[in-house]
Amino acid sequence: GAVVSQHPSWVICKSGTSVKIECRSLDFQATTMFWYRQFPKQSLMLMATSNEGSKATYEQGVEKDKFLINHASLTLSTLTVTSAHPEDSSFYICSASLAQEFSYTFGSGTRLTVV
Amino acid sequence: AQSVTQLDSQVPVFEEAPVELRCNYSSSVSVYLFWYVQYPNQGLQLLLKYLSGSTLVKGINGFEAEFNKSQTSFHLRKPSVHISDTAEYFCAVTSGGYNKLIFGAGTRLAVHP
Repeated sequence: GAVVSQHPSWVICKSGTSVKIECRSLDFQATTMFWYRQFPKQSLMLMATSNEGSKATYEQGVEKDKFLINHASLTLSTLTVTSAHPEDSSFYICSASLAQEFSYTFGSGTRLTVV
Repeated sequence: AQSVTQLDSQVPVFEEAPVELRCNYSSSVSVYLFWYVQYPNQGLQLLLKYLSGSTLVKGINGFEAEFNKSQTSFHLRKPSVHISDTAEYFCAVTSGGYNKLIFGAGTRLAVHP
């Protein structure tokens, strides 16, 4: 089956630094990748949608300059949290989609803690 | 606009009892519906999905769901739950194509011995 690898699984960084999270589709080419943020005991909030080779589409209220998304290939998308602050601490999850199969495969998530 | 409502934030149940997790959706277009399970500090695992055809969908781990267009519902059921079914369950909807999944708030299933 389709597998999505997300790395790192957890990261602790100092306030003001930047953190990069990678999302790779291992055995398929993802037409679209999605990035979600999840607060404790809450649902997944979509942050942005990215298609390979084009700019990401951000959801309302998500800061484009803080959450940089790059989708350089059909198997790799990255989310960079720039100038991280403690309020950015959260669980971030990516999802890779095969549109024609209505398939959405999720990564295992990244726990970001900003201190 | 599409939306998903999961009516129960928490569902406690005893082991080997049946369970139903409720999901209602709203959409002005054709929808495709999904149920995912999330274990602590993990990503989401697909339980089942409805795209078309038979309204009764069978998934993994003994779960099934029934699509009811007239009631705009997609409730998840399992006839006999196990302790290992304790997790968070999310219902989601999309209109397909390259469109995003919209998630419900989630239902915490707690199975007690």
